[in-house]
Amino acid sequence: GAVVSQHPSWVICKSGTSVKIECRSLDFQATTMFWYRQFPKQSLMLMATSNEGSKATYEQGVEKDKFLINHASLTLSTLTVTSAHPEDSSFYICSVGGTEGYEQYFGPGTRLTVT
Amino acid sequence: DAKTTQPPSMDCAEGRAANLPCNHSTISGNEYVYWYRQIHSQGPQYIIHGLKNNETNEMASLIITEDRKSSTLILPHATLRDTAVYYCIVSYGQNFVFGPGTRLSVLP
Repeated sequence: GAVVSQHPSWVICKSGTSVKIECRSLDFQATTMFWYRQFPKQSLMLMATSNEGSKATYEQGVEKDKFLINHASLTLSTLTVTSAHPEDSSFYICSVGGTEGYEQYFGPGTRLTVT
Repeated sequence: DAKTTQPPSMDCAEGRAANLPCNHSTISGNEYVYWYRQIHSQGPQYIIHGLKNNETNEMASLIITEDRKSSTLILPHATLRDTAVYYCIVSYGQNFVFGPGTRLSVLP
C-alpha cells in the first residue's frame, strides 16, 4: 500500500489565524487525494476531494473559502484553514487513492487546536 | 449516510479469533466491501477489501455471504495491538462514507 505523511502532526494556533497542513504521498504519484475531518468520539467525515491540477470538490456544508485545498503536484496536497475558530479544532486526515483498485491509504492525521 | 451496520463494541480474548460482523443489505452489484481500522489518534489503516469472493491477506480474512448482504472480518489470532475501531465500508469508486464502526477491545 501507499505511504502517506502529514505535516505537522499537531498544531496550536490562535483564533483568526490561518494554518496549513501538508499531505504527501511518499512512494507513488497520486492524482487524487482526499481530506477528512474527525471530531472527538465521532467518525471520519469527508471534506473534499483533491485532484492534481484542478479545483477541489467540496462536500456539502464544507466552506471552500475557509478550507483552501491545493494539489499542485502528484505527491503533495495542502489544506489551509483560514481565519480559524475554536470550532475548527479537529483531527484532519488525508488519504490517497490506491494503485490496484479503489482502496484508500490514510495519513497519520494532524491534530489542530484553535485557542 | 453509511450503508453499513456494525455492532458498536466487541471484546475478544488475546490469542483468540476476532470475528467482526457487518451488515450491508443495500449493497449494489459493483460495490466493494472495505475494512479499515483506526487506533486511537492515528489515521485509518487499510486491512482488506473484496467484491464477491472471500479474501485473505497477512492481516485478516474477509468472508462475504453469497447474497453479499453481510460480511465478517476475521482476525485469526488477536493481540493487544489489534485493539481499535474497525470500520466496514461499501463503495464503488473512492467515495468512502465512514459509519461509527465497531470498537474492538482485545483483553489479556
